[in-house]
Amino acid sequence: GENVEQHPSTLSVQEGDSAVIKCTYSDSASNYFPWYKQELGKRPQLIIDIRSNVGEKKDQRIAVTLNKTAKHFSLHITETQPEDSAVYFCAAPYSGGGADGLTFGKGTHLIIQP
Amino acid sequence: EAQVTQNPRYLITVTGKKLTVTCSQNMNHEYMSWYRQDPGLGLRQIYYSMNVEVTDKGDVPEGYKVSRKEKRNFPLILESPSPNQTSLYFCASSFRPRAYEQYFGPGTRLTVT
Repeated sequence: GENVEQHPSTLSVQEGDSAVIKCTYSDSASNYFPWYKQELGKRPQLIIDIRSNVGEKKDQRIAVTLNKTAKHFSLHITETQPEDSAVYFCAAPYSGGGADGLTFGKGTHLIIQP
Repeated sequence: EAQVTQNPRYLITVTGKKLTVTCSQNMNHEYMSWYRQDPGLGLRQIYYSMNVEVTDKGDVPEGYKVSRKEKRNFPLILESPSPNQTSLYFCASSFRPRAYEQYFGPGTRLTVT
């Protein structure tokens, strides 16, 4: 099955600075890479995703880049704001061994320092 | 409003007392899944369902059961809960399992004493 590694587990940045979270995956056939944001006490929600036919996707202050050769993808948040404080999860698809769905990384706790 | 609902939101129970956590979605999604979230371990899949009457094990199925008798509902059953099942549980649904957004329910905080 798919193995997704996410780093760092905790990231503290000054408000206004950029934040980068990285994930690696193991299955070269994977073709869909979403990022979920989970605010404290809330459910995970999709914030951006990328498919394997593009290398980068942007949505205002957030962007995701994909390197299929190296099998890694990253979330970039620019001009960080207090509301960006949350846990972020990357994910990659898997199928096999009776399982089917998304494998999630262990999460990154992003802390925005005022 | 498109949504996934779960009940109860909070539950404290004792070892061995059977319980059911309900999950319902109104988006006509075929795929539904249960996850548990534990500190430092992220989201781990318990069971999933590709459609009515089609269910299968995820990564951590031991001690859990599910059923999918209707497309909109996917209850999680703990027939004999144990303290190691104390966790935060999320139900999710999606149009397809691997290439579309998963919509999560609000979560159920379960404590087994």
